[in-house]
Amino acid sequence: QITLKESGPTLVKPTQTLTLTCTFSGFSLSTRGVGVGWVRQPPGEALEWLALIYWDDDKRYSPSLKSRLTITKDTSKTQVVLTMTNMDPVDTATYYCAHIGSSASNRRWFDPWGQGALVTVSS
Amino acid sequence: QSVLTQPPSVSAAPGQKVTISCSGSSSNIGNNYVSWYQQLPGTAPKLLIYDNNKRPSGIPDRFSGSKSGTSATLGITGLQTGDEADYYCGTWDSSVSAWVFGGGTKLTVL
Repeated sequence: QITLKESGPTLVKPTQTLTLTCTFSGFSLSTRGVGVGWVRQPPGEALEWLALIYWDDDKRYSPSLKSRLTITKDTSKTQVVLTMTNMDPVDTATYYCAHIGSSASNRRWFDPWGQGALVTVSS
Repeated sequence: QSVLTQPPSVSAAPGQKVTISCSGSSSNIGNNYVSWYQQLPGTAPKLLIYDNNKRPSGIPDRFSGSKSGTSATLGITGLQTGDEADYYCGTWDSSVSAWVFGGGTKLTVL
């Protein structure tokens, strides 16, 4: 059974850097084809993809947020870490991490998802 | 403004059928596989459909997916009040090397 859980601060101040950790079990990020992604959802709004990382350390970022995001993996600790710099109140959202399933390079999906972590940006 | 276009809302009576459309372009839906997600109120999204039309184990066959050209469709038959949720389509966009989601569709079962 695959499970993921997000952890990090619930409140950050504007201009600060957010660091979120996704701790997972049930799979290895050393296994070919495996990946983990981050998605956020502002209150009452739609899902927005942020970043993903694959078993071979291939990393992809949302074009609109690329300059502010860094994603890394710690295979031994079964964790993926996302950092977002220069936080702003508009970044207030629930942040989800998810396992990336795949049957081929262009056939991927997010399953399952973590429970999400609400991050509020306010002074 | 989402790259994938979904209707903001759909509604139907219990027992009826509903479809939710997801429109994109050749760089995303046209050349990549689509997945669909159900988000019940206050919960994390859950995978409903992957590879355009496949259901994960545990998803009832009331849920179906299809794709034609640059559009995809989620179908739900035998609507139940428990199906009231937000539904999102998603896929990879090859032109920007980014995952994209639709803006979401709120399903109301009247």
